[in-house]
Amino acid sequence: DTEVTQTPKHLVMGMTNKKSLKCEQHMGHRAMYWYKQKAKKPPELMFVYSYEKLSINESVPSRFSPECPNSSLLNLHLHALQPEDSALYLCASSQEGTGSPLHFGNGTRLTVT
Amino acid sequence: GQQLNQSPQSMFIQEGEDVSMNCTSSSIFNTWLWYKQDPGEGPVLLIALYKAGELTSNGRLTAQFGITRKDSFLNISASIPSDVGIYFCAGATSGTYKYIFGTGTRLKVLA
Repeated sequence: DTEVTQTPKHLVMGMTNKKSLKCEQHMGHRAMYWYKQKAKKPPELMFVYSYEKLSINESVPSRFSPECPNSSLLNLHLHALQPEDSALYLCASSQEGTGSPLHFGNGTRLTVT
Repeated sequence: GQQLNQSPQSMFIQEGEDVSMNCTSSSIFNTWLWYKQDPGEGPVLLIALYKAGELTSNGRLTAQFGITRKDSFLNISASIPSDVGIYFCAGATSGTYKYIFGTGTRLKVLA
């Protein structure tokens, strides 16, 4: 069982919808990440939060809006997505400090219609 | 974005055989990680490496941090059917949360 929990497991949304992806970890990790993974490709970094503050934004379009309400929770708010945004969205966490291993959740499979 | 080159891209092996794969970068890394990903799931951490030349084992898996700090290697001994999946390396430089992932090696084991 993964210690990083993501909900929902699957999500289908239209291009005009607003939805949110949720991630939770209880390992006391202080860094949390969003990655996007297309089929047969490696994960690509989107955002990093360190101590609940946005540390890295990899030039992600504004239709993706991250939020870190507290050290255990990470959300990704979605609005006006495009079909090419369909992918597996992975959340990860790591201990404080760079170089700590990432621990991934099982992802949310997003389909934009 | 930037990616690390992994080879081979894919491989078929017979059950019981040993497997080797590697990851190379044009940049120096301070940390190397190896992950396995099964279909429909997130990557699972196999081994973490922190020092050039370091050799670390996890059961039948052994990974090495290359002495140039630009490469890393993963070996799987006596492969079994459940070793099937995609193996990713990931590297990071000091002082950053930014892990770069390799292109992946897809492993298929023939019983």
